[in-house]
Amino acid sequence: GQNIDQPTEMTATEGAIVQINCTYQTSGFNGLFWYQQHAGEAPTFLSYNVLDGLEEKGRFSSFLSRSKGYSYLLLKELQMKDSASYLCAAKDSNYQLIWGAGTKLIIKP
Amino acid sequence: SAVISQKPSRDICQRGTSLTIQCQVDSQVTMMFWYRQQPGQSLTLIATANQGSEATYESGFVIDKFPISRPNLTFSTLTVSNMSPEDSSIYLCSGTGSEGTEAFFGQGTRLTVV
Repeated sequence: GQNIDQPTEMTATEGAIVQINCTYQTSGFNGLFWYQQHAGEAPTFLSYNVLDGLEEKGRFSSFLSRSKGYSYLLLKELQMKDSASYLCAAKDSNYQLIWGAGTKLIIKP
Repeated sequence: SAVISQKPSRDICQRGTSLTIQCQVDSQVTMMFWYRQQPGQSLTLIATANQGSEATYESGFVIDKFPISRPNLTFSTLTVSNMSPEDSSIYLCSGTGSEGTEAFFGQGTRLTVV
């Protein structure tokens, strides 16, 4: 079957760095996505990886290892507004997104 | 990037009635999807909206309960029929462009059935 695993909840301190891991098992693979979702709002796109390696975009970076079925989202210089759920999603061979349950990130002052 | 306008943003409905949710995209998108999301949980795909033909439903979702239309590449509707309190959820529409490298979401519809 298809499966996405990510931690349910993480806590970090303002100004620090946090890494949110995601492992995936899908029928075929056409890319790994990270989305941010604030409570009561729709998900917003953060990053897309289809090749191995690190993609950096400002304070956020995303890493992919296709051989390990593994990705992480790295958030630097954490701000209180980064408190949200972070959703990992993998696109399968049918180009459908398989979604993880999301990681709730709590930022403390 | 595309912008998807979804309405209504929220509604409180009586049991047994139906609600139609609309999504309008400001540019053509290749694929459109309808999701349901329970509070604190991930997205559950209801169906893929196909232009000019019947939607493709996921296991556990049927056309009689969730009829979907997509008359063109920029517009789709989802109807939640004969509602019960179990249908209370957030419903989201999503679209992807031709490159499929990003999915855009509507603002979501928070539905409460009483």
